[in-house]
Amino acid sequence: SQTIHQWPATLVQPVGSPLSLECTVEGTSNPNLYWYRQAAGRGLQLLFYSVGIGQISSEVPQNLSASRPQDRQFILSSKKLLLSDSGFYLCAWSEVAEAFFGQGTRLTVV
Amino acid sequence: GNSVTQMEGPVTLSEEAFLTINCTYTATGYPSLFWYVQYPGEGLQLLLKATKADDKGSNKGFEATYRKETTSFHLEKGSVQVSDSAVYFCALGKAAGNKLTFGGGTRVLVKP
Repeated sequence: SQTIHQWPATLVQPVGSPLSLECTVEGTSNPNLYWYRQAAGRGLQLLFYSVGIGQISSEVPQNLSASRPQDRQFILSSKKLLLSDSGFYLCAWSEVAEAFFGQGTRLTVV
Repeated sequence: GNSVTQMEGPVTLSEEAFLTINCTYTATGYPSLFWYVQYPGEGLQLLLKATKADDKGSNKGFEATYRKETTSFHLEKGSVQVSDSAVYFCALGKAAGNKLTFGGGTRVLVKP
């Protein structure tokens, strides 16, 4: 069966520091991969999605970037965090329209 | 483009009350429709889905019917429990591999 791993679960980082969140999927090949952000009290905002290795589409301009170095690995990064980057980050994968989510990373930028 | 609109919360209910969360969508063609649930501090879990008009998705006592004529996919449960307290997201998806479009989420709080 397919599983998705996302880490770390929580992270507190100072303003201006770098960020790296990692997501890996097991049990499937060539999945579509997604990064979503959920700000406090708000809905889900799609940040990036990828249909294959090295193929990244950005949905909104922001301080973040994404990379897909391997088929089942998706990384969310920032060179310098802003306070507004705080939120709950969710990785997801899909093969058809249905999506499966990781447990999320709660990022607090202080 | 595609969009999903769902009722804003929070919705506060007593245990064993009837729950309805409204969801309407705008999309071209024939999307699949989903309800996801997010328990506190966790990621999203698929609750139910429907892939074509008049389909009814059901799971854990929750139901939703794909109504193409009203472009709606309202979520219902006849008797809620405290454990149903969560945020519920309505979503639509199109062709294989296409990204999902989510509504803003509705927080539900069930009190004993």
